[in-house]
Amino acid sequence: GENVEQHPSTLSVQEGDSAVIKCTYSDSASNYFPWYKQELGKRPQLIIDIRSNVGEKKDQRIAVTLNKTAKHFSLHITETQPEDSAVYFCAASRAGTYKYIFGTGTRLKVLA
Amino acid sequence: SAVISQKPSRDICQRGTSLTIQCQVDSQVTMMFWYRQQPGQSLTLIATANQGSEATYESGFVIDKFPISRPNLTFSTLTVSNMSPEDSSIYLCSVGARDREETQYFGPGTRLLVL
Repeated sequence: GENVEQHPSTLSVQEGDSAVIKCTYSDSASNYFPWYKQELGKRPQLIIDIRSNVGEKKDQRIAVTLNKTAKHFSLHITETQPEDSAVYFCAASRAGTYKYIFGTGTRLKVLA
Repeated sequence: SAVISQKPSRDICQRGTSLTIQCQVDSQVTMMFWYRQQPGQSLTLIATANQGSEATYESGFVIDKFPISRPNLTFSTLTVSNMSPEDSSIYLCSVGARDREETQYFGPGTRLLVL
């Protein structure tokens, strides 16, 4: 069945450095790719998303890139801050189904 | 985005019993979903809650174990039946955004521990 692979599983960076998380999806019919941030004990929060007709999207310190040919997409966080520490999940959704397949998650630690 | 609430926020239950989790949204939404998040794991879709008809279950999840109701466009329930310790998880509902149904927002979750 369809799946989404996510790497790395854990990532530690120094405050101010950049962090990159990568996901690969298997279903070529996927056309929507959201990213969620989940702090300990909290609900997943949507931080950015991208549709398959766009190659890159940016929102302040966060950006997402999509390579449809290779079927992978990445989350980029620049100028990381301690409050960026959380678990990040990518997801992929096939057009018209609205159903998400989530990646396995990346635990990001930003060291002050 | 819609305001989503869940009840209860947490519970401790004995094996063999059942628990019903409620999800309430402050506005009408078409798409509602139920997810399970096992400790330290990712989110897995249990089912799509369809208003006025039976829920659509994902592979590995069955109606007898996870009956779902969706009586209207603002409310849904998920029941975890005949619980075992393996059912200990966080259960989350999500809703599709009114203007972009592909975008989902999550409720706060129900943390369930089965002894």
